[in-house]
Amino acid sequence: AQSVAQPEDQVNVAEGNPLTVKCTYSVSGNPYLFWYVQYPNRGLQFLLKYITGDNLVKGSYGFEAEFNKSQTSFHLKKPSALVSDSALYFCAVRNRAGANNLFFGTGTRLTVIP
Amino acid sequence: EAGVAQSPRYKIIEKRQSVAFWCNPISGHATLYWYQQILGQGPKLLIQFQNNGVVDDSQLPKDRFSAERLKGVDSTLKIQPAKLEDSAVYLCASTPTIDSYEQYFGPGTRLTVT
Repeated sequence: AQSVAQPEDQVNVAEGNPLTVKCTYSVSGNPYLFWYVQYPNRGLQFLLKYITGDNLVKGSYGFEAEFNKSQTSFHLKKPSALVSDSALYFCAVRNRAGANNLFFGTGTRLTVIP
Repeated sequence: EAGVAQSPRYKIIEKRQSVAFWCNPISGHATLYWYQQILGQGPKLLIQFQNNGVVDDSQLPKDRFSAERLKGVDSTLKIQPAKLEDSAVYLCASTPTIDSYEQYFGPGTRLTVT
């Protein structure tokens, strides 16, 4: 079975400060990991993915994430937060190659305070 | 290119009534997904199509939910009869192939069952 945990329902950060949104996963075999962002009244948008290779992956809008196999984590990070980054962020895991079924976490609401 | 289209955007029905949602994926995308997103939770896959065939419907409550993609392009998800716990946002997503990593999501249909 596969699952994703996002331990924080809400993260608040001041504009210009670094941000981290946490994610841990559980999956048999090699994990395929993803971050999606959801703005109000809009569908989910893909931010970045880890499939293989470099543990630090870079994505859209200046976001990056670090895959840590020993800690089974895939935390989302950004060096300097913008007010426009305020949104709902979802971590997701794909179970195996060839079966594109995403399992999502419960989401973390990020609020960037001006 | 045009994104994933969904209609209606909002629907309010009484319990035991029927409702249908429509999705038109990005042109040329062979794989289509329907997700249910209950408030405070992450999206949960209901059904996955590859062209006009079902790949995975293990999470679809088949006693009341049905979905079709007859011509391998647009798709309809139906609920009959609806229950209060069906209140959620129903998201449609598509990918060019079944192995594609990035899923493209529509804006969703918000269903309220009273």
